[in-house]
Amino acid sequence: EPEVTQTPSHQVTQMGQEVILRCVPISNHLYFYWYRQILGQKVEFLVSFYNNEISEKSEIFDDQFSVERPDGSNFTLKIRSTKLEDSAMYFCASSDGGLAEYFGPGTRLTVL
Amino acid sequence: AQSVTQLGSHVSVSEGALVLLRCNYSSSVPPYLFWYVQYPNQGLQLLLKYTTGATLVKGINGFEAEFKKSETSFHLTKPSAHMSDAAEYFCAVTPTGRRALTFGSGTRLQVQP
Repeated sequence: EPEVTQTPSHQVTQMGQEVILRCVPISNHLYFYWYRQILGQKVEFLVSFYNNEISEKSEIFDDQFSVERPDGSNFTLKIRSTKLEDSAMYFCASSDGGLAEYFGPGTRLTVL
Repeated sequence: AQSVTQLGSHVSVSEGALVLLRCNYSSSVPPYLFWYVQYPNQGLQLLLKYTTGATLVKGINGFEAEFKKSETSFHLTKPSAHMSDAAEYFCAVTPTGRRALTFGSGTRLQVQP
């Protein structure tokens, strides 16, 4: 069964450093998303991406964040200058235009 | 703005007992509704969804949920719990025509032998 994959599974970084989280969505999907879950809190929507542009973003997704689909298979989330409060599990998701997202296993980001 | 409330952060049932996980939403328009399950150290897996049509929705692993507009609820049930059902369950909504999901805070289900 096709699945969304994410790398790395765990990323540790120093505050102020840039990180790139990588995702490979399901191959025939057109819509891509990033969500995050801070430990003990709700899963929160960050951004959705369609047709090579951001279609929707939340208040969390400020200028420190960016997304890119650099080729036909990868979808990345960049955090330009990480803060302690960026520590969270980051989930990538994709959909084929249907009404449910298919989630990857997540990348745990720890900012020290 | 929409929101999702899951009553009970932890629910414990005995193996073979009924599972009932509660979800209420607030939305200005009837939304699309979803239940996801998260097993330890794994991502979110779609259990079932309601968009339109029949209000009783059947999902994977024997789970089902009923959309009750008058009660703004979408409770998840399973007639007989299995040890493998132990996980965290998330209710989520999105307004018709949009895609970004709003999640509830989750309910951790424990199944006692």
